[in-house]
Amino acid sequence: EIVLTQSPTTMAASPGEKVTITCRASSSVSYMHWFQQKSGTSPKPWIYDTSKLASGVPDRFSGSGSGTSYSLTISSMEAEDAATYYCLQRSSYPWTFGGGTKLELK
Amino acid sequence: EVQLVESGGGLVQPGRSLKLSCAASGFTFSNYYMAWVRQAPKKGLEWVATISTSGSRTYYPDSVKGRFTISRDNAKSSLYLQMNSLKSEDTATYYCARVTTVLDYWGQGVMVTVSS
Repeated sequence: EIVLTQSPTTMAASPGEKVTITCRASSSVSYMHWFQQKSGTSPKPWIYDTSKLASGVPDRFSGSGSGTSYSLTISSMEAEDAATYYCLQRSSYPWTFGGGTKLELK
Repeated sequence: EVQLVESGGGLVQPGRSLKLSCAASGFTFSNYYMAWVRQAPKKGLEWVATISTSGSRTYYPDSVKGRFTISRDNAKSSLYLQMNSLKSEDTATYYCARVTTVLDYWGQGVMVTVSS
């Protein structure tokens, strides 16, 4: 099983601040996918195939990485970005999610 | 508009069974793999099962293998999750999701509580 470790677990960012969330895999994966979840709602696809933005995602978001290290970056934090972000690998079964990163507005 | 609507959740005693359903609309259901993902209260996401377009291939993590069965009825555009020998650690919100490059559409989720 590929274990995904996200860091940090929680963080707070000020409006306009750059944010980077990291997802490290215990073995190499082909792609990484990211989801955004706000309290009481279903997860939403956010970034897929490592760097492609899902429909409606602002271009201040970006994704990058390869092998065992991937990241989600927000170039300039906005209030609406406060949420929990999860990474997902589906390169091999069992599919696994990272533990989540809770991003708060400072 | 793509819609996924789960149903069948509720309170169930440990060791008992429950069957979840997911009604799909707004797309050609038979063309897509489908999946179930769950989220325990205040916890992260956990993949539960995936099924191929015809239903001939199914995949599970060890945590539910042998207890849960994913199935589908393409004529009814419906996805199912039969859950047997339920444990307290199966308490969660269960989401059905459409599988493309990623899990691109999710239902609103249905709560399952396993408790005596």
